Amino acid sequence: DVKVTQSSRYLVKRTGEKVFLECVQDMDHENMFWYRQDPGLGLRLIYFSYDVKMKEKGDIPEGYSVSREKKERFSLILESASTNQTSMYLCASSPLVGDPIHFGPGTRLTVT
Amino acid sequence: AQKVTQAQTEISVVEKEDVTLDCVYETRDTTYYLFWYKQPPSGELVFLIRRNSFDEQNEISGRYSWNFQKSTSSFNFTITASQVVDSAVYFCALSGRGGYQKVTFGTGTKLQVIP
Repeated sequence: DVKVTQSSRYLVKRTGEKVFLECVQDMDHENMFWYRQDPGLGLRLIYFSYDVKMKEKGDIPEGYSVSREKKERFSLILESASTNQTSMYLCASSPLVGDPIHFGPGTRLTVT
Repeated sequence: AQKVTQAQTEISVVEKEDVTLDCVYETRDTTYYLFWYKQPPSGELVFLIRRNSFDEQNEISGRYSWNFQKSTSSFNFTITASQVVDSAVYFCALSGRGGYQKVTFGTGTKLQVIP
């Protein structure tokens, strides 16, 4: 079974802090994704990566950056956390284009 | 640009009723993939089905069935004889084929099955 793990299930940070959300997958997948999930808005794509050191902006990249130094690890960075970034963050991975994507358990981030 | 619309925000049915969840998509790609995912109350999203744009055959898996119609850009999901365990949020998603895999999700339909 594919396993996507996220470093924290719950995280509380203060406004202005730099926040790192870590994600690791164990199946040698090419593609990795970061989504945020908010009530009524579904899942919105923040960034995705199709190879090491390669990244593409999703639909809502503002205020975020990403890093993929190794194939199995994809980090989401909030440069200066704001209260409107309070959300559930979901990491996911997939082998190739068109394959189902596999989700991690999510990190619920609260910015106060 | 690609888009997925799930117009039904919440649906409530009584156990054993049939229920259909609607999904309408937009894409410029001629080759694309459609998915359904289930998010139970426990929270983790679970993959249910994938369809590619060349395969319009309907699919049935137990009590679940999917109706893909390119003519109306729809990929609807029907649960027959619903059960309480079907209570969840269901997401439809679309992946283009051009270059990189950008997967776009709809806003989800929350299904409540009442015993």
